[in-house]
Amino acid sequence: KQEVTQIPAALSVPEGENLVLNCSFTDSAIYNLQWFRQDPGKGLTSLLLIQSSQREQTSGRLNASLDKSSGRSTLYIAASQPGDSATYLCAVNSGGYQKVTFGIGTKLQVIP
Amino acid sequence: DAGVIQSPRHEVTEMGQEVTLRCKPISGHNSLFWYRQTMMRGLELLIYFNNNVPIDDSGMPEDRFSAKMPNASFSTLKIQPSEPRDSAVYFCASSSSAGKLFFGSGTQLSVL
Repeated sequence: KQEVTQIPAALSVPEGENLVLNCSFTDSAIYNLQWFRQDPGKGLTSLLLIQSSQREQTSGRLNASLDKSSGRSTLYIAASQPGDSATYLCAVNSGGYQKVTFGIGTKLQVIP
Repeated sequence: DAGVIQSPRHEVTEMGQEVTLRCKPISGHNSLFWYRQTMMRGLELLIYFNNNVPIDDSGMPEDRFSAKMPNASFSTLKIQPSEPRDSAVYFCASSSSAGKLFFGSGTQLSVL
């Protein structure tokens, strides 16, 4: 059974700092990995999708990397802004949509 | 596109009552998912449809839960009878064959 862990559970940083969010998974036989952002009382917004054959994906100030062999993914946020404050979740697809496993998320607060 | 549309946004009901949650997926998406989110368990997949056909309902907690997708643009999740432990946020998501999940804003369910 796939297990997804996100550390830390919460993170508070000053505005402008670069930061890294971590996601680890137990079964390296994955189809893809997706990073989401969730604002309070809102749904999940897809940030980046990395296919199993890819090593990283970039969108603006966000960069996600994937290392299947070690069962790890990182989400790098450059020059953080208060608007980045949200909960970030990673979702691992182990093959077929019914096997998408979510982490609990990292709650990020960027202090002005 | 308006994205995935869920209704109602909030539902407060008494134990034993029937609850119906509704979802309109993104036009052209052929897969639809119902998730439940709680603080304790995070996001859990309840059921998944592909081309309007239920593929995997192993995540549906009990017979009190049922889901239908009568056509490509509409799905319902019904709880009958509802119980306080069903209180959670219920999300609907849709996806095309590309694999990226798009979530609705969710329904906050409170069963008193």
